[in-house]
Amino acid sequence: AQKITQTQPGMFVQEKEAVTLDCTYDTSDPSYGLFWYKQPSSGEMIFLIYQGSYDQQNATEGRYSLNFQKARKSANLVISASQLGDSAMYFCAMRSGRSGATNKLIFGTGTLLAVQP
Amino acid sequence: DADVTQTPRNRITKTGKRIMLECSQTKGHDRMYWYRQDPGLGLRLIYYSFDVKDINKGEISDGYSVSRQAQAKFSLSLESAIPNQTALYFCATSDSPQGTGNQPQHFGDGTRLSIL
Repeated sequence: AQKITQTQPGMFVQEKEAVTLDCTYDTSDPSYGLFWYKQPSSGEMIFLIYQGSYDQQNATEGRYSLNFQKARKSANLVISASQLGDSAMYFCAMRSGRSGATNKLIFGTGTLLAVQP
Repeated sequence: DADVTQTPRNRITKTGKRIMLECSQTKGHDRMYWYRQDPGLGLRLIYYSFDVKDINKGEISDGYSVSRQAQAKFSLSLESAIPNQTALYFCATSDSPQGTGNQPQHFGDGTRLSIL
């Protein structure tokens, strides 16, 4: 079965420090994609970063990077130099081979990040 | 203006009422999706559509129906609302998968629906 697991319901981080949000996935498809979304308290879903299963390098987008460990089936989000505006819920999502044609996403349950001044 | 617009943003209604949530997009995407979000459960797919003539059930379609009136419009209906359909509902769009398949889904701002 295809599944996304986020084991950290909530986390605190000090402003300007780096933080890692964990995500593990389960799929038997060799082709899949992993996404991270941010949901601030206002409720909208904001796309942050993408990693494809065949990508040779870890994805980076500004202060966001994805620590992709294929053998461990993990795709952890790293936020460097945390800012107060990073306080939000973060969701990991997967599109696997079977759903690739439809672009359906499977979401984890999310991690609530609180950045402390 | 937002690329993906959901109306209404908030709605409170009574059990048994028919509710329609509307979604329109200006991104020109052919694929549209409806999700619901419940605390502790993440987002779950209700229905999705490849184009006007193609509608597919997601993992939790019971109690819901959809209509793709045009490429840019995808509405979700609750024929007879019940309290456990109280949730945050999202519409999303995406382009057709191509190349590396890294087309993200783009979400509307959500509709907060409460059924009493």
